Amino acid sequence: QSALTQPASVSGSPGQSITISCTGTSSDVGGYNYVSWYQQHPGKAPKLIIYDVNKRPSGVSNRFSGSKSGNTASLTISGLQAEDEADFYCGSYTTRSTFVVFGGGTKLTVV
Amino acid sequence: QVQLVESGGGLVKPGGSLRLSCAASGFTFSDYYIYWIRQAPGKGLEWVSYISSSSSTISYADSVKGRFTISRDNAKNSLYLEMNSLRAEDTAVYYCARPLATSSSTVDSWGQGTLVTVSS
Repeated sequence: QSALTQPASVSGSPGQSITISCTGTSSDVGGYNYVSWYQQHPGKAPKLIIYDVNKRPSGVSNRFSGSKSGNTASLTISGLQAEDEADFYCGSYTTRSTFVVFGGGTKLTVV
Repeated sequence: QVQLVESGGGLVKPGGSLRLSCAASGFTFSDYYIYWIRQAPGKGLEWVSYISSSSSTISYADSVKGRFTISRDNAKNSLYLEMNSLRAEDTAVYYCARPLATSSSTVDSWGQGTLVTVSS
């Protein structure tokens, strides 16, 4: 069981917006602004798309945005495109000995 | 550009050992903490271990503590993971990963991964 809770799957149509949630505790998501999001296509390594809750690395589309409220962080993808179909993982700094915790992942299907 | 290349994965019997390596290039390796993160087939990401830039600070996930040993050689820009007493549940793709900032919890660079399969 992953330390952070994500929905197993979400779906949307091209052009629509979707939001993926990531719920933790005050020891991780709720206590620090060190939430990150990763996109992983099949057979590939994860790619960082959001860090520090709402910052985008250079080169990442502005269709990806992040936010946080309490112990829950969210990733919103607007203007869905077919190539957005992938698995998405949240990660957070934690005060537990593991240092970093991840969510179980959310499979995004663009229908 | 940042490059991380893992090697050493393969098929090993339960109770066996394996040593993974990660060759780094494109950045000042000795400035950064480095992590091992794994992903079991069809499963999510699991942080395994980290080592500080000078090797003075090391941490392990409870699931591997006492069985895995992380180390680095800054002169060779290399990271290692010695894995002993391997179990079926250690089967995974193992990624070498670099943080966004020198000791950040955010990973911005990943290797391609090396597959470890523990099976009789």
